[in-house]
Amino acid sequence: NAGVTQTPKFRVLKTGQSMTLLCAQDMNHEYMYWYRQDPGMGLRLIHYSVGEGTTAKGEVPDGYNVSRLKKQNFLLGLESAAPSQTSVYFCASSYPSGPLNRQPQHFGDGTRLSIL
Amino acid sequence: DQQVKQNSPSLSVQEGRISILNCDYTNSMFDYFLWYKKYPAEGPTFLISISSIKDKNEDGRFTVFLNKSAKHLSLHIVPSQPGDSAVYFCAASGWDNTDKLIFGTGTRLQVFP
Repeated sequence: NAGVTQTPKFRVLKTGQSMTLLCAQDMNHEYMYWYRQDPGMGLRLIHYSVGEGTTAKGEVPDGYNVSRLKKQNFLLGLESAAPSQTSVYFCASSYPSGPLNRQPQHFGDGTRLSIL
Repeated sequence: DQQVKQNSPSLSVQEGRISILNCDYTNSMFDYFLWYKKYPAEGPTFLISISSIKDKNEDGRFTVFLNKSAKHLSLHIVPSQPGDSAVYFCAASGWDNTDKLIFGTGTRLQVFP
């Protein structure tokens, strides 16, 4: 049971390079999320998706783009990497909640990204 | 403006004793609260949650208490075990059909023999 799988686990980029982080889930979850975690801070929401073909901005979306072409995959892109984007990136997914049936998010193990 | 606050960066507890982790929130629209546990180099793992219609939820050694008037919740671990040593994140969500979570900054719990 893989759950939420993030690829790659580690990556070092130079300033200005681009890359895509892949998140795949096998739980048939409708909702997917991208967070970043920085030292001394909690997880902050970058972008999220409430269904295939839909995306929306979170708390810290600048410098990132996302796509949800397939229900099971959620891609996070950095078009021109900056040192401020050095962080650990976590993907999560969940079933939609009902008002009386709230659902927790399930996380992958993260991608550690360093921008030099 | 930090909507979810964990004011204790770290906590050290002896094995077998109770661990109490605290969390405060400011947004009165939050109605669902979660605790996640995180080991190094792993993703957060869901531990326990509570809806605002309750004031207590229990799962084995873990109990979460919610005080809505004080906008405060706490996680009790009894008895504490060395394997409980991890970073614990409090998170909150309001009902808006997106299930977005707002996280606290985490508390590092160390359980020593």
